[in-house]
Amino acid sequence: AQSVTQPDIHITVSEGASLELRCNYSYGATPYLFWYVQSPGQGLQLLLKYFSGDTLVQGIKGFEAEFKRSQSSFNLRKPSVHWSDAAEYFCAVGALQTGANNLFFGTGTRLTVIP
Amino acid sequence: DAGVIQSPRHEVTEMGQEVTLRCKPISGHDYLFWYRQTMMRGLELLIYFNNNVPIDDSGMPEDRFSAKMPNASFSTLKIQPSEPRDSAVYFCASMASGESEQFFGPGTRLTVL
Repeated sequence: AQSVTQPDIHITVSEGASLELRCNYSYGATPYLFWYVQSPGQGLQLLLKYFSGDTLVQGIKGFEAEFKRSQSSFNLRKPSVHWSDAAEYFCAVGALQTGANNLFFGTGTRLTVIP
Repeated sequence: DAGVIQSPRHEVTEMGQEVTLRCKPISGHDYLFWYRQTMMRGLELLIYFNNNVPIDDSGMPEDRFSAKMPNASFSTLKIQPSEPRDSAVYFCASMASGESEQFFGPGTRLTVL
């Protein structure tokens, strides 16, 4: 069965510090992996995605993520966090099937940034 | 493009009342998804459409929920009768065929008293 685990419900970091948000997935087929960000009162915005090729993918807002098949992980990183990064982050897994694209989301990690 | 449009943004209703949530996908997108977000269950896919046809409604919680897509530019999610446990944020998302990114609307926050 497909599932996504984000083990950290809430993370607090200082502005300027580095960040890593964890994501582990379980998927029967080759996964497509996504990170979305949700600011308060807003919908979800795609940060980055991985389909194939280079396992280190770059996204918007200075974020990157690394796909590690052996660990079934797709952790999100940012070298220096800005106060505007405070939001909720969702990892998702899916597969592009003929005529469909189902996404399974993790429960999210809330990021707080302190001055 | 205006993005995915949802209305209303907030809805407060009383238990037993009918609630209708509306969504206008991005023009040209032929996939439309309805999600529900709660603290307890996170983000759940309720149903999705392809070319106005429901493809998978296995996430619809029960018969009180129904969704329609009468044309390519409009979809509704209806709850009748509503219950307090339906309180959540409901998101609509759309996607173009052959693509992978789903574009989300701002959501409708539903409160059932």
